[in-house]
Amino acid sequence: AQKITQTQPGMFVQEKEAVTLDCTYDTSDPSYGLFWYKQPSSGEMIFLIYQGSYDQQNATEGRYSLNFQKARKSANLVISASQLGDSAMYFCAMKGEGGADGLTFGKGTHLIIQP
Amino acid sequence: DAGVTQSPTHLIKTRGQQVTLRCSPKSGHDTVSWYQQALGQGPQFIFQYYEEEERQRGNFPDRFSGHQFPNYSSELNVNALLLGDSALYLCASSFLFGQSEPTYEQYFGPGTRLTVT
Repeated sequence: AQKITQTQPGMFVQEKEAVTLDCTYDTSDPSYGLFWYKQPSSGEMIFLIYQGSYDQQNATEGRYSLNFQKARKSANLVISASQLGDSAMYFCAMKGEGGADGLTFGKGTHLIIQP
Repeated sequence: DAGVTQSPTHLIKTRGQQVTLRCSPKSGHDTVSWYQQALGQGPQFIFQYYEEEERQRGNFPDRFSGHQFPNYSSELNVNALLLGDSALYLCASSFLFGQSEPTYEQYFGPGTRLTVT
């Protein structure tokens, strides 16, 4: 079975600072994918970034980057130059075993950006 | 280009009743997944439909069933509602096959908030 662990229930960060959201995972599948989603108070899950287990380089998407450390089974999200609009719940998720598409989510981190 | 749409937005049902939630995938997507998100928790995978068949299922009882139509839209049905079924139900669509490199990304809808009293 797969498992995603997010150990930071909540974080307060000053605007314009960089922030790192932690995510560790556990799987027996040699091939897997890791995702980060943002969920504002409206409820919709917004895709941020994806990292495949065989990708040689860490994924980046604009202000988002994924610090992928395969040996440590960690996939931390880094948000550079945080903005007030970044305040939301952030979920780390893993693609299913055997290439199946159902995602396993962590419990999330509530990020609050302060002016 | 419309994204994933879900209806209704909110729903209140009584314990023991049945409910049907609806989802229209993003244009061009052929696969629909359903998730249940209890308050303060991450979403949990219920099942996925592709080519009108259930392709994958999470750890949910048979009270949860679904359907996919030829136009790729989907329904989630929950029978004999329990208080614990109160949650946000999210639909996600993706396009797995038919491309040289299948997309991994799932686009989520805004969800249906179900309250069971």
